Amino acid sequence: GQQVMQIPQYQHVQEGEDFTTYCNSSTTLSNIQWYKQRPGGHPVFLIQLVKSGEVKKQKRLTFQFGEAKKNSSLHITATQTTDVGTYFCAGPKTRTMDSNYQLIWGAGTKLIIKP
Amino acid sequence: DGGITQSPKYLFRKEGQNVTLSCEQNLNHDAMYWYRQDPGQGLRLIYYSQIVNDFQKGDIAEGYSVSREKKESFPLTVTSAQKNPTAFYLCASSIALWIYEQYFGPGTRLTVT
Repeated sequence: GQQVMQIPQYQHVQEGEDFTTYCNSSTTLSNIQWYKQRPGGHPVFLIQLVKSGEVKKQKRLTFQFGEAKKNSSLHITATQTTDVGTYFCAGPKTRTMDSNYQLIWGAGTKLIIKP
Repeated sequence: DGGITQSPKYLFRKEGQNVTLSCEQNLNHDAMYWYRQDPGQGLRLIYYSQIVNDFQKGDIAEGYSVSREKKESFPLTVTSAQKNPTAFYLCASSIALWIYEQYFGPGTRLTVT
């Protein structure tokens, strides 16, 4: 079935280093969403990408949507302790029998800042 | 302030008991969702609702039930038929089904012993 794979599962970085998480879909996505979940918290929406090849920036965060709309990435420059958490991507799953979609989620990448 | 509330934050139950988790939103959103999150894992969809009096099963609906009698409310009942109910339960809503960002409540951590 349709899958959204996210890698790596964990990434340990020193504060100030960069962080990247990758999201790969088995099918073409009409859009992709990114969420952040702080430890013990709930997911919070970061951004939605819609266009092929789209790049969006939010301060130190850069989001990309691949040309084929099957992959996406989130890059954080110069990580800070406030960036700690798990980053999820999510994309719509097309149902074959009706017009309803589901949102399928990657397993997330946990960003850990080394002391 | 607009948002989603879930109560309680922590819930403890004995095996064999049904338990109902509350989810209320004042965002005037049509769509609402219930997810389950297990440690170190992503979100798995339990049920979702597009409008009042309508709801659909997600990927892991067995052992759960929902109702949507009011636009603002989407309670989830974890029944005794759910084999592994201990988990973190998240409720979310969006303007319309799937295509808009989802707003999440703070979650309920259910422990069944």
